[in-house]
Amino acid sequence: QSALTQPPSASGSPGQSVTISCTGTSSDHNYVSWYQQHPDKAPKLMIFEVNKRPSGVPDRFSGSKSGNTASLTVSGLQAEDEADYYCSSYAGSNIVVFGGGTKLTVL
Amino acid sequence: QLQLQESGPGLVKPSETLSLTCSVSGGSFTTRNYYWAWIRQPPGKGLEWIGSMYYTGGTYYTPSLKSRVIISADTSKNQFSLELNSVTAADTAVYYCARYHYFFDFWGQGALVTVSS
Repeated sequence: QSALTQPPSASGSPGQSVTISCTGTSSDHNYVSWYQQHPDKAPKLMIFEVNKRPSGVPDRFSGSKSGNTASLTVSGLQAEDEADYYCSSYAGSNIVVFGGGTKLTVL
Repeated sequence: QLQLQESGPGLVKPSETLSLTCSVSGGSFTTRNYYWAWIRQPPGKGLEWIGSMYYTGGTYYTPSLKSRVIISADTSKNQFSLELNSVTAADTAVYYCARYHYFFDFWGQGALVTVSS
């Protein structure tokens, strides 16, 4: 099971929108999730099942999927959104894979 | 609120066995439909899923580590554990435990394990 492919970096100015892609997800299910990780902190669940937000996650964060590519969009960028973002997907046979991570910079 | 906490030695010698325990509080380890997982992150690198287990005993491992990993549980203590044998410097990482149900919703704070003589 190969890791999912993410761009190593993304950036945007405050107030703008940025989208991070994640290629290699299965088209058979919607078990794609996204995690935000600030330096020296544990990852935090931001999106699950492609486009669902856990309680407490701002609606500026949204997810989508088309074919085998999932995407995370952060709208109205804020300084505190600067972090690493990882996608994850169920790969079948009780196997889980992560993307390599994307460093989001707020300019 | 569910909480997870990793514990174990922060330094392991090469060729020895890395052992970590995750203590689960604020909720039941035997909740149906939830799995319990270990994930690691080498310094400056991305996340790697190591494996997961169900409280009834089923275990699942990433293929690249399968020959060296055992995940087990002590349901009476609400704990589950990771053993990784024959470690090398490449196993140096922050190790996280987490709850899984097709997504990881609760994470421990992480435990840095360094492999060095």
